[in-house]
This record gives sequence, C-alpha cells and structure tokens, in this order.
Amino acid sequence: AQRVTQPEKLLSVFKGAPVELKCNYSYSGSPELFWYVQYSRQRLQLLLRHISRESIKGFTADLNKGETSFHLKKPFAQEEDSAMYYCALIRNAGNMLTFGGGTRLMVKP
Amino acid sequence: DAGVTQSPTHLIKTRGQQVTLRCSPKSGHDTVSWYQQALGQGPQFIFQYYEEEERQRGNFPDRFSGHQFPNYSSELNVNALLLGDSALYLCASSLTTSPVAGELFFGEGSRLTVL
Repeated sequence: AQRVTQPEKLLSVFKGAPVELKCNYSYSGSPELFWYVQYSRQRLQLLLRHISRESIKGFTADLNKGETSFHLKKPFAQEEDSAMYYCALIRNAGNMLTFGGGTRLMVKP
Repeated sequence: DAGVTQSPTHLIKTRGQQVTLRCSPKSGHDTVSWYQQALGQGPQFIFQYYEEEERQRGNFPDRFSGHQFPNYSSELNVNALLLGDSALYLCASSLTTSPVAGELFFGEGSRLTVL
C-alpha cells in the first residue's frame, strides 16, 4: 500500500531563513510525487512535480528513492510562502492522488 | 472560466440522513475526483469518474456513491450519515489526456457537519 508521511504539522521560520518541508513515502512501484499548496482563502493547487525537475516560486524538491523522500526546499523564505503544504503521490495511472497530512508553514517577518 | 465549482458550500445534517453534493468541473475537463478532508488531515481519495463511470475507488464504504453526467458534472451521495462523515468534501477535475499527470484542479469544497 502507498503512504505519504509529513512528520511536521507546523514549521515556523523567519523571513530569509532556509526552509525544508519533509515528505516521506512508501510505494511498491515507481512513484510520481507532487507538492500541492493551499494559501489562505485559496484553493488547493499544484506547486510542483518531481518529474519536471522545476523550480516554482523558488521552491525545489528532489526525489530520493534510496531514502524514499521528497523534501521541499527553499533557500530564503518569504512571508508570502506562508501556507499549507501537502505532499502527494500518484497511485497507479489516472490522477488518483494519495496525500500526506500536510505541514503548515509560517514565515515570520 | 470559474474553475471547479461546488455546491452547497456548507450544510448541516443529522445522523442517518442522506446528502448530495454537486460539482462542475473546469471547462474542458472530463474527469472528476472526490476527496474527503477531515479536520487537520490531508485529503483522502473517495472515487473518480470518467465517461460517466466510476473508474477507481478509495477505501470508502458503499454508503458513498457518485454519478457523472454527460456534461461531466458530478454528484457525491452519502447515505446513512455518521458523525465521522463530518468533513470538507473536495471535488477535483482533470483532463484524462493531459500531459501534466497529477495536476488536479480543486474546488473550494463543501463542508458537511453531521450532528
């Protein structure tokens, strides 16, 4: 069975500090992993996908198959990064996502 | 394009009752997925509809059922409501042929409270 674990419910950092939101997964196949974000009073939306190896809003995430991790990183946090972040895994084909429990990121001024 | 729209936004029911939630997908999307999000938790996959049929189902009892209409809109029905069914129900749409796998567009959700 597939499972996504985000060990931190809340992460609080100061503006300009580095950020790392942790995500670990268990999956028997070849995973496709994603980070979704929900800003205050907005909808849940896709932030980035591991397969595209992109940087979005300064965030990057590297898939580490050996450690079964997909941590989200940003070198210098901004106040507008404050949001709920969810790590997710595609289960089979067909866009069926398994989500982690989420981490609330608070960036203090 | 209003994106994914859901109705109602909030509703209150009592145990044993039945509820129907509605979803209109983003324009051009043909697939609708439903998720349940309990307070403080991540969304959990309920089921997905494509071409008016249930394509995949998560670990939810048969009390949860759905439907997709020819215009791709969808309904989620929950029978014999339990207190534990209280949650935010999210609808997400996608395009089956999209090259961006895993990109779901979410609605704002329907918050169900069961008393």
